[in-house]
Amino acid sequence: KAGVTQTPRYLIKTRGQQVTLSCSPISGHRSVSWYQQTPGQGLQFLFEYFSETQRNKGNFPGRFSGRQFSNSRSEMNVSTLELGDSALYLCASSYPTGARGRLSKATTDTQYFGPGTRLTVL
Amino acid sequence: AQKITQTQPGMFVQEKEAVTLDCTYDTSDPSYGLFWYKQPSSGEMIFLIYQGSYDQQNATEGRYSLNFQKARKSANLVISASQLGDSAMYFCAMREGYNTNAGKSTFGDGTTLTVKP
Repeated sequence: KAGVTQTPRYLIKTRGQQVTLSCSPISGHRSVSWYQQTPGQGLQFLFEYFSETQRNKGNFPGRFSGRQFSNSRSEMNVSTLELGDSALYLCASSYPTGARGRLSKATTDTQYFGPGTRLTVL
Repeated sequence: AQKITQTQPGMFVQEKEAVTLDCTYDTSDPSYGLFWYKQPSSGEMIFLIYQGSYDQQNATEGRYSLNFQKARKSANLVISASQLGDSAMYFCAMREGYNTNAGKSTFGDGTTLTVKP
C-alpha cells in the first residue's frame, strides 16, 4: 500500500507571496490532518479534514487554510507569507475515528505521516 | 500544562544495547491513544508503536516495546539491541477526546537518540 505523499518536497518563497501544499492520503484513509513543525514551537496541529469538511482547527491565523477533495486529497494554503512561516509542513492520514468493523483501534487511531514539505520564506 | 512531556532532550546508547526513552502525559479523557514516532534527519515521521488506554498488555513491535504505566501516566519507549540506523529524533504523541479533537495528535518536544558504534 502506498504511503502518504506530499508535494512539493521543498519550496522557497518570499514574504507576501502565497503557497499551496498538497497531500495524498493512504488509500482508504479519509481523515487528513496538517501539522507545522519548527525548531522553536515543535509540532503544532493546523487543521483536520474529513469528507471535505474541516472538523478541527488549531490556533493559527486565518492566513492558513485548507480544503479536501472528494478523493480525500487535501491542500493547504498559506497567504501573505511571513518569515515565521518557514517550517516543515507535515500531513497525516488516518481512518476517521469511529470507523470500526474489522479494524482494530490501533489501526483506526494511528496517524501516518508523509515526508513533509519544507517551506523557506525569504 | 504540557500534555506530553519528554524530559530527555538527548540520549546516547552503545550499539546493540537497549535504551529507554521517557514520556509522561496528562489527560482527563478515559479513552486515549499513545504513540511513538521516529523522525530521521530526512524529516519523515515514522510510526513505531501504539498503546491504547484500555489495553491490558504493553505493546510490542519487533525491537520496540512500550512500558505503559497508566497510574503514573507514563509511556516509555524501549528499544532493544540498538542499531546505528536508530539514530534519530523520537516523539511521543497522544490522541484524546476523539469527538472534540478530531484528527489532532499532541506531541512532546522529542528526544534525540544517538547510537554509538
